Amino acid sequence: ETGVTQTPRHLVMGMTNKKSLKCEQHLGHNAMYWYKQSAKKPLELMFVYSLEERVENNSVPSRFSPECPNSSHLFLHLHTLQPEDSALYLCASSQDRTSGLNEQFFGPGTRLTVL
Amino acid sequence: TQLLEQSPQFLSIQEGENLTVYCNSSSVFSSLQWYRQEPGEGPVLLVTVVTGGEVKKLKRLTFQFGDARKDSSLHITAAQPGDTGLYLCAGARGNYQLIWGAGTKLIIKP
Repeated sequence: ETGVTQTPRHLVMGMTNKKSLKCEQHLGHNAMYWYKQSAKKPLELMFVYSLEERVENNSVPSRFSPECPNSSHLFLHLHTLQPEDSALYLCASSQDRTSGLNEQFFGPGTRLTVL
Repeated sequence: TQLLEQSPQFLSIQEGENLTVYCNSSSVFSSLQWYRQEPGEGPVLLVTVVTGGEVKKLKRLTFQFGDARKDSSLHITAAQPGDTGLYLCAGARGNYQLIWGAGTKLIIKP
């Protein structure tokens, strides 16, 4: 595997379910990100991890819970979601979050539908 | 709130035509990035511009960073169906957060 991978690619869940999204980066980067992408809206940054330490939580509801066990893996645990949480969830990584460039490399995303 | 406004939101043109997409802000950025996203995939970085007035070319795509580092443009010459996609601009401020535009959805008809 190369680049950034995400699983699953598609997920349909009920509001009472618990599920997890997985992201893995094979680029040796130090920072990893979760974004939410909704139609016609800018990417919404949810969480940032730098060297496995969470450095940002952009007022994300507690029904989203991130986990970063090491610099290559990132999870997003989901529970009691709402239909408005349906969106494309993107994982990204970057070499150095403070370089001023912060060029990000994205996975293919997980298309989440909450019924 | 920092905003990056992209225009147009949607553009559908014939193969062979030229087009320009704009990305404007009232904020200064240390650099600005352009990404292209195809259906079912994540955004892919096309270019990063850093210096005010900088121009970078990627085959038929020309990217320019404004002199004041607040705005940028993407010009495509002789558009091809393979250029179809969602074009996103993102401004960097030197920390972990990028400021994203809402995107321009481009369709090139054969």
